[in-house]
Amino acid sequence: EIVLTQSPATLSLSPGERATLSCRASQSVRNYLAWYQQKPGQAPRLLIYDASNRATGVPARFSGSGSGTDFTLTISSLEPEDFALYYCQQRSNWPPLTFGGGTKVEIK
Amino acid sequence: EVQLLGSGGGLVQPGGSLRLSCAASGFTFSSYAMSWVRQAPGKGLEWVSAITGSGGSTYYTDSVKGRCTISRDNSKNTLYLQMNSLRAEDTALYYCARLWDKLYFDNWGQGTLVTVSS
Repeated sequence: EIVLTQSPATLSLSPGERATLSCRASQSVRNYLAWYQQKPGQAPRLLIYDASNRATGVPARFSGSGSGTDFTLTISSLEPEDFALYYCQQRSNWPPLTFGGGTKVEIK
Repeated sequence: EVQLLGSGGGLVQPGGSLRLSCAASGFTFSSYAMSWVRQAPGKGLEWVSAITGSGGSTYYTDSVKGRCTISRDNSKNTLYLQMNSLRAEDTALYYCARLWDKLYFDNWGQGTLVTVSS
C-alpha cells in the first residue's frame, strides 16, 4: 500500500498570502496524484488531477506540481474561501486508493 | 447536474448490519465506476470500496473485505454498500463518489452517517 504523508498538518496564513502544501508518497506514484479541498460540513471537491491539471471550474490561483514521490499544491494568493482542509490522493497502485492525512489551512 | 444522494445510515450495535444506498442522477450511471469513501469523526478520508460501471468487478480496502459488499443496480441508477459484522471503527460518514476514468473522485454525495455503538 502506498502511504501519502502531508505536511504541515496545519498552515496558519493571512488572506493574500501564498500557501504551499506538501504531499510525499512512500514510493513513486508517477504523476497519478490528485488534490481535494474540503470545507466544514461539506464533501470534498476535486481541485487538481494528474499532479498539475486543474479540475473544471477551479480558479487559476490553485496549481499543482511534482512527480514521483514529492508533490506540491500552491495557492498563489489566499482568498477567504480557501481556508479549508486539503487532501492528496494517489491512484498509481491500487487497490487501495489512498489519501494523505490532510493539511488544514487556517486564518492566522 | 450530477447529484448523488446517500441514505441508509444510522445507529447500529456492534456485530450488526446496515445497507447504504446512493441514488445517482444527472449522468449516465452505467458509464461510470462508483465508490464509497468514509471519514471517521474528526479524521481524514479513507477509500472503502469501488465497483466498475457494469458491476462486473469490485474492489475493497483490506479492513472491510469479507464484511462489506458493494453492488449497483444500473436500471435504478443506485449504488449500494451492504455492511455486516460492523465494528466501532466503522463509525464514519460514508460518501458515495463517482470515479472518473482516471480513478479520481470527481463528484461526491453529501454523506450518510453510520454509528456503531452499543
